[in-house]
Amino acid sequence: EAQVTQNPRYLITVTGKKLTVTCSQNMNHEYMSWYRQDPGLGLRQIYYSMNVEVTDKGDVPEGYKVSRKEKRNFPLILESPSPNQTSLYFCASSFQTGASYEQYFGPGTRLTVT
Amino acid sequence: AQSVAQPEDQVNVAEGNPLTVKCTYSVSGNPYLFWYVQYPNRGLQFLLKYITGDNLVKGSYGFEAEFNKSQTSFHLKKPSALVSDSALYFCAVRDRNYGGSQGNLIFGKGTKLSVKP
Repeated sequence: EAQVTQNPRYLITVTGKKLTVTCSQNMNHEYMSWYRQDPGLGLRQIYYSMNVEVTDKGDVPEGYKVSRKEKRNFPLILESPSPNQTSLYFCASSFQTGASYEQYFGPGTRLTVT
Repeated sequence: AQSVAQPEDQVNVAEGNPLTVKCTYSVSGNPYLFWYVQYPNRGLQFLLKYITGDNLVKGSYGFEAEFNKSQTSFHLKKPSALVSDSALYFCAVRDRNYGGSQGNLIFGKGTKLSVKP
């Protein structure tokens, strides 16, 4: 089954404790992206990747890191989480970027930073 | 700069009635337009898209949307709403003339659709 998977689905952590949210897709997509969803703000892009070893900042990259060492994986790293990073996070992928292809979304990771 | 507006935070409809969820956009060139739906505790699912051609686009679950270039709108419609259509709906736009970061999808803030029996 074609899908985007994220782990963990739920995470409660404390300020400053490094964490990684994994994302993997099995569709051989070139483009992958991370979004955060906050009430009243919709989805905002954190980082995106147009292919292996090619990543770039989205609209709200502060406090986040990403890497794209393999085509299928695109982990999101929070080196020192803060309470304002409490949010619902989505990973997404599409065949290509800057084109007509729709994005496929993972199920989401709900992160709480205390 | 690209932007998307969904002017209604919530739309309430009785089951069996037609529904419309509004979306207007702003891009410097020609747009690709998308609608996504998010059911509770789930990720976003693709509903439909406008790329080119016929202004009326048909998608999943009986939804359709009409692209109106003069009004820069892409409203989502369904002739007869179901209780199971209750969800959060997102409109998104991409400027087809750009690649890289300017080719990324821009999402609206979402509209909550509530269909009552």
